[in-house]
Amino acid sequence: QVQLVESGGGVVQPGRSLRLSCAASGFTFRSYAMHWVRQAPGKGLEWVAVLASDGRDNYHADSVKGRFTISRDNSKNTLYLQMNSLRTEDTAVYYCVRDGKPAAAGYYFDYWGQGTLVTVSS
Amino acid sequence: EIVMTQSPATLSVSPGERATLSCRASQSVRSNLAWYQQKPGQAPRLLIYGASIRATGIPASFSGSGSGTDFTLTISILQSEDSAVYYCQQYNNWPRITFGQGTRLEIK
Repeated sequence: QVQLVESGGGVVQPGRSLRLSCAASGFTFRSYAMHWVRQAPGKGLEWVAVLASDGRDNYHADSVKGRFTISRDNSKNTLYLQMNSLRTEDTAVYYCVRDGKPAAAGYYFDYWGQGTLVTVSS
Repeated sequence: EIVMTQSPATLSVSPGERATLSCRASQSVRSNLAWYQQKPGQAPRLLIYGASIRATGIPASFSGSGSGTDFTLTISILQSEDSAVYYCQQYNNWPRITFGQGTRLEIK
């Protein structure tokens, strides 16, 4: 079965960096675009970034553009999110999410990890 | 940015009854709309995509309808386990994906 397991969350001071990882299994990872979606405590969902199946095309939400970078290693079935210049408003649970369409991204999300909490606080 | 507005914010319905949740887009998203269910402490689960296509494993009690700017998620014959927050999401304007603020469904 499809499994997405995030790691790397924790408490970090404003301005510092953190890298999240997502280990994927149970499907052909290299065939799917992958996303990160976040949820601030008690709030709704916010899409963060997407990376194409082959790793060539990527997009980031305006709120994180220039600070966060999504990447993947298809040989390791792993998705990453490098987060730099973190702000208090980046505090959230970060979900690794599979795109609902194989090959070309469909931008809806059919499998979600359990999430990893990032807390940005001094 | 396309703004997604869900109503009502909270809905309280008795078991066995029908629940109707609404989602309105600030401009047309055609049929590029998905619905998710999120229970406390859990990740969201995809229910509907393409406005009306049930995701794998989703029971027929969940149905979606609408196109353009107005969409509806209907849950027929409510059960206690349907208590959750439901989110709509447009993906017509990718990559500028946006979610609604959610509707909390309470089972009386």
